Amino acid sequence: DMKVTQMPRYLIKRMGENVLLECGQDMSHETMYWYRQDPGLGLQLIYISYDVDSNSEGDIPKGYRVSRKKREHFSLILDSAKTNQTSVYFCASSFDNYEQYFGPGTRLTVL
Amino acid sequence: SQWGEENLQALSIQEGEDVTMNCSYKTYTTVVQWYRQKSGKGPAQLILIRSNEREKRSGRLRATLDTSSQSSSLSITGTLATDTAVYFCATDQGGRALIFGTGTTVSVSP
Repeated sequence: DMKVTQMPRYLIKRMGENVLLECGQDMSHETMYWYRQDPGLGLQLIYISYDVDSNSEGDIPKGYRVSRKKREHFSLILDSAKTNQTSVYFCASSFDNYEQYFGPGTRLTVL
Repeated sequence: SQWGEENLQALSIQEGEDVTMNCSYKTYTTVVQWYRQKSGKGPAQLILIRSNEREKRSGRLRATLDTSSQSSSLSITGTLATDTAVYFCATDQGGRALIFGTGTTVSVSP
Protein backbone atom coordinates (compact mmCIF):
# COMPACT_ATOMS: atom_id res chain seq x y z
CA ASP A 1 0.00 0.00 0.00
CA MET A 2 1.70 3.20 -1.21
CA LYS A 3 1.39 5.73 1.52
CA VAL A 4 2.93 8.91 2.90
CA THR A 5 2.06 9.69 6.50
CA GLN A 6 2.50 12.90 8.44
CA MET A 7 2.40 13.56 12.14
CA PRO A 8 0.92 15.48 13.75
CA ARG A 9 -1.99 16.54 11.58
CA TYR A 10 -2.66 19.69 13.57
CA LEU A 11 -0.30 21.64 15.79
CA ILE A 12 -0.51 24.89 17.70
CA LYS A 13 2.70 26.41 19.04
CA ARG A 14 3.74 29.69 20.56
CA MET A 15 6.27 31.95 18.91
CA GLY A 16 9.78 30.91 19.90
CA GLU A 17 8.93 27.27 20.54
CA ASN A 18 10.58 24.47 18.58
CA VAL A 19 8.52 22.47 16.13
CA LEU A 20 9.10 18.97 14.79
CA LEU A 21 7.06 17.68 11.86
CA GLU A 22 7.47 14.05 10.91
CA CYS A 23 6.93 12.29 7.63
CA GLY A 24 7.08 8.64 6.69
CA GLN A 25 6.72 6.66 3.47
CA ASP A 26 6.48 2.95 2.78
CA MET A 27 7.56 2.95 -0.87
CA SER A 28 11.35 3.00 -0.38
CA HIS A 29 11.51 6.19 -2.41
CA GLU A 30 14.92 7.82 -2.36
CA THR A 31 13.66 11.37 -2.84
CA MET A 32 11.51 13.18 -0.32
CA TYR A 33 10.31 16.76 -0.10
CA TRP A 34 8.87 19.30 2.29
CA TYR A 35 6.52 21.99 0.99
CA ARG A 36 4.43 24.66 2.58
CA GLN A 37 1.14 25.78 1.16
CA ASP A 38 -0.33 29.21 1.74
CA PRO A 39 -3.52 30.60 0.20
CA GLY A 40 -2.92 31.90 -3.31
CA LEU A 41 0.73 30.81 -3.36
CA GLY A 42 0.51 27.18 -4.34
CA LEU A 43 3.15 24.79 -3.03
CA GLN A 44 6.55 26.19 -2.15
CA LEU A 45 9.50 23.85 -1.84
CA ILE A 46 11.36 24.10 1.47
CA TYR A 47 13.82 21.21 1.29
CA ILE A 48 14.49 18.20 -0.86
CA SER A 49 16.25 15.04 0.27
CA TYR A 50 17.85 12.70 -2.24
CA ASP A 51 18.55 9.99 0.32
CA VAL A 52 19.80 9.53 3.88
CA ASP A 53 21.87 12.56 4.94
CA SER A 54 21.71 14.02 1.42
CA ASN A 55 19.58 17.12 1.74
CA SER A 56 19.35 20.23 -0.38
CA GLU A 57 17.70 23.60 0.11
CA GLY A 58 14.59 24.36 -1.84
CA ASP A 59 13.20 27.77 -2.67
CA ILE A 60 12.35 28.93 0.87
CA PRO A 61 14.69 27.16 3.35
CA LYS A 62 15.21 30.07 5.72
CA GLY A 63 13.98 29.27 9.22
CA TYR A 64 13.79 25.54 8.58
CA ARG A 65 16.08 22.55 8.78
CA VAL A 66 15.59 18.90 8.00
CA SER A 67 16.82 15.53 9.08
CA ARG A 68 16.82 12.24 7.26
CA LYS A 69 18.50 9.38 9.07
CA LYS A 70 16.43 6.59 7.54
CA ARG A 71 15.19 6.40 3.97
CA GLU A 72 11.58 6.10 5.07
CA HIS A 73 11.58 9.07 7.46
CA PHE A 74 12.04 12.77 6.80
CA SER A 75 11.67 15.41 9.49
CA LEU A 76 11.16 19.15 9.25
CA ILE A 77 12.36 21.22 12.19
CA LEU A 78 11.54 24.80 13.01
CA ASP A 79 13.89 26.19 15.64
CA SER A 80 12.16 29.05 17.42
CA ALA A 81 9.00 29.19 15.36
CA LYS A 82 7.73 32.48 14.00
CA THR A 83 4.17 33.59 13.35
CA ASN A 84 4.85 33.82 9.61
CA GLN A 85 5.54 30.08 9.61
CA THR A 86 1.86 29.44 10.19
CA SER A 87 0.93 27.32 7.20
CA VAL A 88 0.00 23.87 5.96
CA TYR A 89 3.05 21.69 5.47
CA PHE A 90 3.13 18.81 3.03
CA CYS A 91 5.62 16.03 2.74
CA ALA A 92 6.01 14.11 -0.51
CA SER A 93 8.11 11.29 -1.86
CA SER A 94 9.07 10.29 -5.35
CA PHE A 95 10.84 7.50 -7.19
CA ASP A 96 11.87 9.48 -10.25
CA ASN A 97 10.63 13.04 -9.67
CA TYR A 98 7.90 12.41 -12.23
CA GLU A 99 5.18 11.54 -9.78
CA GLN A 100 5.19 12.82 -6.26
CA TYR A 101 3.12 11.13 -3.59
CA PHE A 102 1.88 13.55 -0.98
CA GLY A 103 0.95 13.10 2.63
CA PRO A 104 -2.25 14.53 4.13
CA GLY A 105 -0.54 17.63 5.46
CA THR A 106 0.11 19.22 8.86
CA ARG A 107 -1.69 22.42 9.74
CA LEU A 108 0.67 24.45 11.91
CA THR A 109 -0.44 27.56 13.76
CA VAL A 110 2.18 29.69 15.48
CA LEU A 111 0.68 32.15 17.95
CA SER B 1 12.27 31.35 -9.77
CA GLN B 2 10.09 30.52 -12.78
CA TRP B 3 6.97 28.52 -12.20
CA GLY B 4 3.74 27.46 -13.83
CA GLU B 5 0.76 29.75 -13.69
CA GLU B 6 -2.81 28.69 -14.04
CA ASN B 7 -4.59 31.32 -16.11
CA LEU B 8 -7.93 31.13 -14.36
CA GLN B 9 -8.13 31.07 -10.61
CA ALA B 10 -11.70 29.78 -10.07
CA LEU B 11 -14.44 28.11 -12.05
CA SER B 12 -18.00 27.22 -11.02
CA ILE B 13 -19.94 24.79 -13.16
CA GLN B 14 -22.87 22.36 -13.07
CA GLU B 15 -22.45 18.62 -12.92
CA GLY B 16 -22.27 17.13 -16.40
CA GLU B 17 -20.59 20.14 -17.98
CA ASP B 18 -17.11 20.01 -19.43
CA VAL B 19 -14.34 22.21 -18.05
CA THR B 20 -10.93 23.27 -19.31
CA MET B 21 -8.19 24.95 -17.34
CA ASN B 22 -4.94 26.34 -18.65
CA CYS B 23 -1.40 26.67 -17.44
CA SER B 24 1.52 28.60 -18.85
CA TYR B 25 5.11 28.12 -17.80
CA LYS B 26 8.25 30.12 -18.30
CA THR B 27 11.14 27.66 -18.30
CA TYR B 28 12.01 24.53 -20.21
CA THR B 29 10.32 21.42 -18.89
CA THR B 30 10.56 17.76 -19.81
CA VAL B 31 7.08 16.99 -18.54
CA VAL B 32 3.96 18.77 -17.38
CA GLN B 33 2.03 17.11 -14.62
CA TRP B 34 -1.47 17.92 -13.43
CA TYR B 35 -2.38 17.36 -9.80
CA ARG B 36 -5.70 17.54 -8.03
CA GLN B 37 -6.09 18.54 -4.41
CA LYS B 38 -9.36 17.93 -2.63
CA SER B 39 -10.23 19.84 0.50
CA GLY B 40 -8.16 18.74 3.47
CA LYS B 41 -6.00 16.36 1.45
CA GLY B 42 -2.62 16.40 -0.19
CA PRO B 43 -2.30 16.77 -3.97
CA ALA B 44 -2.50 13.65 -6.12
CA GLN B 45 -1.21 13.27 -9.64
CA LEU B 46 -3.86 13.02 -12.34
CA ILE B 47 -1.94 12.93 -15.58
CA LEU B 48 1.56 13.46 -16.94
CA ILE B 49 2.33 14.67 -20.45
CA ARG B 50 5.85 14.62 -21.84
CA SER B 51 7.44 17.34 -23.94
CA ASN B 52 7.27 15.16 -27.08
CA GLU B 53 3.53 14.59 -26.67
CA ARG B 54 0.80 16.99 -27.75
CA GLU B 55 -2.12 15.24 -26.08
CA LYS B 56 -2.68 12.64 -23.38
CA ARG B 57 -5.95 11.10 -22.28
CA SER B 58 -6.93 9.23 -19.17
CA GLY B 59 -10.59 8.42 -18.65
CA ARG B 60 -12.49 11.73 -18.54
CA LEU B 61 -9.26 13.70 -18.51
CA ARG B 62 -7.45 15.18 -21.47
CA ALA B 63 -4.18 17.08 -21.21
CA THR B 64 -2.55 19.02 -24.00
CA LEU B 65 0.90 20.50 -24.27
CA ASP B 66 2.18 23.17 -26.62
CA THR B 67 5.89 23.57 -26.08
CA SER B 68 6.15 26.43 -28.58
CA SER B 69 3.84 28.60 -26.49
CA GLN B 70 4.88 26.91 -23.23
CA SER B 71 1.33 26.17 -22.25
CA SER B 72 -0.72 23.19 -21.20
CA SER B 73 -4.39 22.56 -20.64
CA LEU B 74 -6.42 20.06 -18.68
CA SER B 75 -9.97 19.22 -19.69
CA ILE B 76 -12.49 17.20 -17.75
CA THR B 77 -15.54 15.92 -19.58
CA GLY B 78 -18.84 15.18 -17.91
CA THR B 79 -17.84 16.65 -14.56
CA LEU B 80 -19.09 15.17 -11.31
CA ALA B 81 -19.53 16.85 -7.97
CA THR B 82 -16.56 14.78 -6.81
CA ASP B 83 -14.36 16.66 -9.30
CA THR B 84 -14.61 19.69 -7.00
CA ALA B 85 -10.99 20.45 -6.11
CA VAL B 86 -8.01 22.68 -6.77
CA TYR B 87 -6.08 21.69 -9.87
CA PHE B 88 -2.38 22.41 -10.18
CA CYS B 89 -0.02 22.15 -13.08
CA ALA B 90 3.58 21.31 -12.27
CA THR B 91 6.71 21.57 -14.35
CA ASP B 92 10.26 20.42 -13.75
CA GLN B 93 13.38 22.49 -14.24
CA GLY B 94 15.22 19.94 -16.30
CA GLY B 95 15.21 17.40 -13.49
CA ARG B 96 15.09 19.29 -10.22
CA ALA B 97 12.06 19.34 -7.98
CA LEU B 98 8.68 20.18 -9.45
CA ILE B 99 7.47 23.74 -9.61
CA PHE B 100 3.77 24.02 -8.89
CA GLY B 101 1.43 26.69 -10.15
CA THR B 102 -0.96 28.57 -7.91
CA GLY B 103 -3.91 26.37 -8.84
CA THR B 104 -7.37 26.64 -10.37
CA THR B 105 -10.31 26.07 -8.04
CA VAL B 106 -13.09 24.12 -9.70
CA SER B 107 -16.47 23.91 -7.99
CA VAL B 108 -18.98 21.47 -9.48
CA SER B 109 -22.57 21.80 -8.30
CA PRO B 110 -24.79 18.70 -8.31
